[in-house]
Amino acid sequence: GAVVSQHPSWVICKSGTSVKIECRSLDFQATTMFWYRQFPKQSLMLMATSNEGSKATYEQGVEKDKFLINHASLTLSTLTVTSAHPEDSSFYICSAPPTSGRLYNEQFFGPGTRLTVL
Amino acid sequence: AQTVTQSQPEMSVQEAETVTLSCTYDTSESNYYLFWYKQPPSRQMILVIRQEAYKQQNATENRFSVNFQKAAKSFSLKISDSQLGDTAMYFCAFMKPTGANSKLTFGKGITLSVRP
Repeated sequence: GAVVSQHPSWVICKSGTSVKIECRSLDFQATTMFWYRQFPKQSLMLMATSNEGSKATYEQGVEKDKFLINHASLTLSTLTVTSAHPEDSSFYICSAPPTSGRLYNEQFFGPGTRLTVL
Repeated sequence: AQTVTQSQPEMSVQEAETVTLSCTYDTSESNYYLFWYKQPPSRQMILVIRQEAYKQQNATENRFSVNFQKAAKSFSLKISDSQLGDTAMYFCAFMKPTGANSKLTFGKGITLSVRP
């Protein structure tokens, strides 16, 4: 299969600071990666689509200046939560579909990052 | 826009028994994919099974099978011989294949508990 990693798995930060979360495709290339947010016992909410070499596409209602996304290479996308506040505390998940190959129409998910803002 | 509906928030099943999780969707597309994902307490999303809309045959993966009714826009998941490790949240998802930017639309999910 295809493996996606996320780092860190758990982060605690103080209100007002910025936090960067990395999403890596370990054994395949991905021109697109997706970032989700999930609250306990709820579904995944798509925040944005990360595109390698171009600007990310944000879903309606997601603040672009607060959730900065950079897709610098075919295997790495980063989500930076700027000036984090307690209401940003959540579980953040990334996913990536392989650019080519037999798994082209599947998405592979990272293990998620739990963010706690104090 | 596509919508995915999972109307049962919770279900419980005895170990070794069979359980069916319901999912309906709404779309005007003719070509699409449907998925069931499992999210155990670790919160890692795991693909359980996938169905391509143009295939009439229902997908099966070991103890997991689907009942895909395209006209009714229904996509239920049957878990046979339930095991304790099946305890998780299950999400039904829809995808219109548009290349690398194909997005998944998720249902609200259902929490399944398998009782020993």
